[in-house]
Amino acid sequence: RKEVEQDPGPFNVPEGATVAFNCTYSNSASQSFFWYRQDCRKEPKLLMSVYSSGNEDGRFTAQLNRASQYISLLIRDSKLSDSATYLCVVNPGTASKLTFGTGTRLQVTL
Amino acid sequence: DTEVTQTPKHLVMGMTNKKSLKCEQHMGHRAMYWYKQKAKKPPELMFVYSYEKLSINESVPSRFSPECPNSSLLNLHLHALQPEDSALYLCASSQGVRTQNSPLHFGNGTRLTVT
Repeated sequence: RKEVEQDPGPFNVPEGATVAFNCTYSNSASQSFFWYRQDCRKEPKLLMSVYSSGNEDGRFTAQLNRASQYISLLIRDSKLSDSATYLCVVNPGTASKLTFGTGTRLQVTL
Repeated sequence: DTEVTQTPKHLVMGMTNKKSLKCEQHMGHRAMYWYKQKAKKPPELMFVYSYEKLSINESVPSRFSPECPNSSLLNLHLHALQPEDSALYLCASSQGVRTQNSPLHFGNGTRLTVT
């Protein structure tokens, strides 16, 4: 089993749709979790950290399920500008061992 | 706007050239990183500096030589690269290597092409 697994997609959704991505991780001792967004040929940008109680930032909601070892990202009311690759990142306790998922590609269409 | 700045944005170099990539952050972060990213792949860690000292070298070939002149600056010296080294090179920083919930902040990257 890979350390961090994501469905590569692509997820093709119409504008205004709600879309959710999951990311599973294998190290039960993992400490912190993040979602990054990466546009084509650009650097990854931090979208949000994922907290145990779940957290929301506008149209984006992140959840952590430690029992099942996955994190999720929900995007409501998708915009064309949300089209990007979404990277799940897991910190097992030291940032030098941060593990990236392979990313999920989202394409929002008219 | 990114708080980690990298120069140059693009670099084309021959296999016999020597060049350097530069990275600067002014967030007071104590950990800095070099990553390499190939198309459609996640970033791969190359080096980690913690408090200006090299703490991790992920078995990177010696043709890549990192340098951390001070807590805000990180360089990557390149010499005798191969075409397969062509990639996006990303610098990142974080509060500390062991600081909980400390995300990486990436620079905008240097797109390197080796001819």
